Amino acid sequence: KAGVTQTPRYLIKTRGQQVTLSCSPISGHRSVSWYQQTPGQGLQFLFEYFSETQRNKGNFPGRFSGRQFSNSRSEMNVSTLELGDSALYLCASSYNNEQFFGPGTRLTVL
Amino acid sequence: AQKVTQAQTEISVVEKEDVTLDCVYETRDTTYYLFWYKQPPSGELVFLIRRNSFDEQNEISGRYSWNFQKSTSSFNFTITASQVVDSAVYFCALSEAKKSSGDKLTFGTGTRLAVRP
Repeated sequence: KAGVTQTPRYLIKTRGQQVTLSCSPISGHRSVSWYQQTPGQGLQFLFEYFSETQRNKGNFPGRFSGRQFSNSRSEMNVSTLELGDSALYLCASSYNNEQFFGPGTRLTVL
Repeated sequence: AQKVTQAQTEISVVEKEDVTLDCVYETRDTTYYLFWYKQPPSGELVFLIRRNSFDEQNEISGRYSWNFQKSTSSFNFTITASQVVDSAVYFCALSEAKKSSGDKLTFGTGTRLAVRP
């Protein structure tokens, strides 16, 4: 089985722009979660989608949003980028409470 | 609220030494899952183990072993005969085992392990 894939792997944006990250889960996995990893805050949960519905949400501002499609692929969007949004964004797909992570998208905001 | 504490920020050992990474957790739930992940320099989190709160048996997988003690809320990870390839950041994580919480993971701050040749 192919693992979790994330695109793009690297992204450079400027403040005020918006960005969309994509995640394709492992085949058969219906749950997709997103995490932000920064040196200062560590790994923080953003949100989780299951069967196209947001099942859980972390403590992030409304600029962070996501969605899931019928094929379980998920996207997350960050609008009005700030310097502090520079991070590694990790996507995980899960089945039976076991979460497997993708390689991440490293976002740099200049 | 859930919390995971990894008090060891960095550990440095010489190859072939045994090393134990500590993890202490807090939760009010009676049913939960505990995890360990490895994050090599490439950045991807590699799943190592999941343990159900009802299963306190220790587990061994090759050079890796895990000691789960509910009485002390600890889930420690030991690498026997460490190798340079074990150099990475290791994360301990916790998730509730109820549908309303989904699969949200609460992570510790990680322990950076450096294995010197």
